[in-house]
Amino acid sequence: EAQVTQNPRYLITVTGKKLTVTCSQNMNHEYMSWYRQDPGLGLRQIYYSMNVEVTDKGDVPEGYKVSRKEKRNFPLILESPSPNQTSLYFCASSLSLGQGFPYEQYFGPGTRLTVT
Amino acid sequence: EDQVTQSPEALRLQEGESSSLNCSYTVSGLRGLFWYRQDPGKGPEFLFTLYSAGEEKEKERLKATLTKKESFLHITAPKPEDSATYLCAVGDYQKVTFGTGTKLQVIP
Repeated sequence: EAQVTQNPRYLITVTGKKLTVTCSQNMNHEYMSWYRQDPGLGLRQIYYSMNVEVTDKGDVPEGYKVSRKEKRNFPLILESPSPNQTSLYFCASSLSLGQGFPYEQYFGPGTRLTVT
Repeated sequence: EDQVTQSPEALRLQEGESSSLNCSYTVSGLRGLFWYRQDPGKGPEFLFTLYSAGEEKEKERLKATLTKKESFLHITAPKPEDSATYLCAVGDYQKVTFGTGTKLQVIP
């Protein structure tokens, strides 16, 4: 089954304790992205990756890191989480957005993060 | 900076009562406009992509249309299972910008 998986699905942590949210896709997609979703603000892009070893900042990258060492995996790293990073996080993947024609994204089930 | 505005924020319909959701956008260069459906606690699910003004796509009770400044998602004779939040997004070759969505409730 074609899918995007995220782990963990729920996480409660304390300020400053480093954490990683994993994301994996089995569709051989080049493009992967991380979003956060907050009430009234919608989905906002944190980072995206056009392919292995190619990453770039989205609209809200502060406080986050990513890496893309393998095509299927795109982990999101919070090195020193703060309460304002409490949110619902989604990973997504799609065929390459290159050549000027964007394709639809497939989203994971979400990770609800609470930072106290 | 790309901007996407959806209206209304919330819509309550009786079963069978047709209506339309609006998505207006300002972008430097539109490559594609997307519609997604999101159920509570789940990730968005792709519905349609529209690439050029005048394009239309249909799926069951949903029909999406695109002009140079806005897109409409028409819902014909909705059923309770159509209740969800509908998201609009615009994309270029690298980034995707989402609107805040329209929460649709269809009452039996």
